[in-house]
Amino acid sequence: DTGVSQNPRHKITKRGQNVTFRCDPISEHNRLYWYRQTLGQGPEFLTYFQNEAQLEKSRLLSDRFSAERPKGSFSTLEIQRTEQGDSAMYLCASSGTGGNSPLHFGNGTRLTVT
Amino acid sequence: GENVEQHPSTLSVQEGDSAVIKCTYSDSASNYFPWYKQELGKRPQLIIDIRSNVGEKKDQRIAVTLNKTAKHFSLHITETQPEDSAVYFCAAPHYGGSQGNLIFGKGTKLSVKP
Repeated sequence: DTGVSQNPRHKITKRGQNVTFRCDPISEHNRLYWYRQTLGQGPEFLTYFQNEAQLEKSRLLSDRFSAERPKGSFSTLEIQRTEQGDSAMYLCASSGTGGNSPLHFGNGTRLTVT
Repeated sequence: GENVEQHPSTLSVQEGDSAVIKCTYSDSASNYFPWYKQELGKRPQLIIDIRSNVGEKKDQRIAVTLNKTAKHFSLHITETQPEDSAVYFCAAPHYGGSQGNLIFGKGTKLSVKP
């Protein structure tokens, strides 16, 4: 499977704990995105990397959230001091640099904060 | 910033009928409009997209139309089949953001009854 891979698929954590998710994009894609999706809603943009540079961040991305893509390949999204409102599906997507390159989403990591 | 409204929120049709989902956007500079299909528990998958230099695009049973003057675009599915049942999301680029920084509609749950 050469699609976008995300791990873990599910994460249950207690409020106040830190969590980290990983995304491996399609290998030839140099653009990587993180989105969050809650039940009954469309995905919401969080942040965007081109290679290793984080070029865009949403106002939704509070200071408890941090994303990295150190070598321009895989990316991690860390949430510190989790809150119940952080419970959601966290989706990663990648695309190429061509003007017609669409987003390809991964299966997501479902986070439940108890 | 960009605002995307999607209607209806639910749509039920008989197998073989057509289905139409409509979206409006607010930023007249938007130039890329994708549609994603999301089956229960799965990733959003791009089914068709359109750029602002064309008014219509077709791919087998799926078509998208764009009215730049009125700032709305629609998804048309003909000869619906039970496997078309899913949630469909429209999207448009966030003002000033990259092509992958998308604002999604709230989704339309399509049910195709056999």
